[in-house]
Amino acid sequence: DAKTTQPNSMESNEEEPVHLPCNHSTISGTDYIHWYRQLPSQGPEYVIHGLTSNVNNRMASLAIAEDRKSSTLILHRATLRDAAVYYCILDYSGGYQKVTFGIGTKLQVIP
Amino acid sequence: DAGVIQSPRHEVTEMGQEVTLRCKPISGHDYLFWYRQTMMRGLELLIYFNNNVPIDDSGMPEDRFSAKMPNASFSTLKIQPSEPRDSAVYFCASSSRASGVYNEQFFGPGTRLTVL
Repeated sequence: DAKTTQPNSMESNEEEPVHLPCNHSTISGTDYIHWYRQLPSQGPEYVIHGLTSNVNNRMASLAIAEDRKSSTLILHRATLRDAAVYYCILDYSGGYQKVTFGIGTKLQVIP
Repeated sequence: DAGVIQSPRHEVTEMGQEVTLRCKPISGHDYLFWYRQTMMRGLELLIYFNNNVPIDDSGMPEDRFSAKMPNASFSTLKIQPSEPRDSAVYFCASSSRASGVYNEQFFGPGTRLTVL
């Protein structure tokens, strides 16, 4: 399975943008890039996903490098509620369901 | 929809006892996953089902762990006998292929298991 590498922790000031990096140098052409986050004492929740093009939704943006070996989750204005562990995950396309969560990046938002 | 429901939310038991964790997936979802989360190992996939059939149980740590899905609306994860190293938060998640290619997983609130 292709693996991802993320920093263990990051800090951001409230209301500033946050860029969470993820390296996936062994990604295959059929792997989707997913991001989930886990708020304290809760189960993970979906944030965003993409394949080749940059993606935007109400929660965040996903910027994917042209060679797809890295990606960045962008939170445009961090709030205290965004303090969580963020997981970057690769998943086969076509509905294969097994994904592997790593340790993720713990984001601290400073008021 | 109420989301994925797990019970109990907290379980404290003594070493050697049998523990049964329960999960009700979101109605209509055809995939169900069991995960375990610890500080040391993070979030690990234990087993997942498709249409009530176990597809991959390679993450089940040992024979003391077993999982069943007797119908589309119910699954159990059983540990017998339990050991202190089984202490963790166990999450159940479900997803559906019916909506297309993307396979977002919806997680339950988890069961915090403590084995003394």
